[in-house]
Amino acid sequence: KAGVTQTPRYLIKTRGQQVTLSCSPISGHRSVSWYQQTPGQGLQFLFEYFSETQRNKGNFPGRFSGRQFSNSRSEMNVSTLELGDSALYLCASSHEGGVGEKLFFGSGTQLSVL
Amino acid sequence: AQSVAQPEDQVNVAEGNPLTVKCTYSVSGNPYLFWYVQYPNRGLQFLLKYITGDNLVKGSYGFEAEFNKSQTSFHLKKPSALVSDSALYFCAVRVPSGTYKYIFGTGTRLKVLA
Repeated sequence: KAGVTQTPRYLIKTRGQQVTLSCSPISGHRSVSWYQQTPGQGLQFLFEYFSETQRNKGNFPGRFSGRQFSNSRSEMNVSTLELGDSALYLCASSHEGGVGEKLFFGSGTQLSVL
Repeated sequence: AQSVAQPEDQVNVAEGNPLTVKCTYSVSGNPYLFWYVQYPNRGLQFLLKYITGDNLVKGSYGFEAEFNKSQTSFHLKKPSALVSDSALYFCAVRVPSGTYKYIFGTGTRLKVLA
């Protein structure tokens, strides 16, 4: 079974641009969540999607948005990039997103904003 | 506010010695507790979880964790450390009510010295 796949692996953008990150969950998983990882801050929850609906949302500005498609693949979009958006963005999937379920993570997209 | 604390940014231990990575939490309700490990340039991998029952939980790669409700702690332990255990370790909590969001600690870097 293929794991969680995130593309691209690396991105370099400049301030003010926008970016779209992609995540393909494990086959059969319907819950996809996104996290921002920065040194010293750990993992910050961005949002979770289940069956094409955003079920949970973290404390990030509206520049961060996402969506999920009918095949459970998910995209995350960041508009008007700021230097502080430089981070590793991780996607994770699970069957139903149940409270006791473990998450399966992708290798992440390393975003650098110049 | 609900939170998870990993008080040590880094833990150094000699190979063959026991290791402990500390985690404390502050949540309302009964927590679901998790440990994940991150190797360089990889996403997080699940190690173990506590849902209910025996306070000592055994997980992957010989790791175990002890849930202590009175001290609100969930420390990760291993009897004999390996150099290959060197990685970044994250404690996480989910509360089985409300939004079910994952709350992650800031991570502890474990260095096992040969």
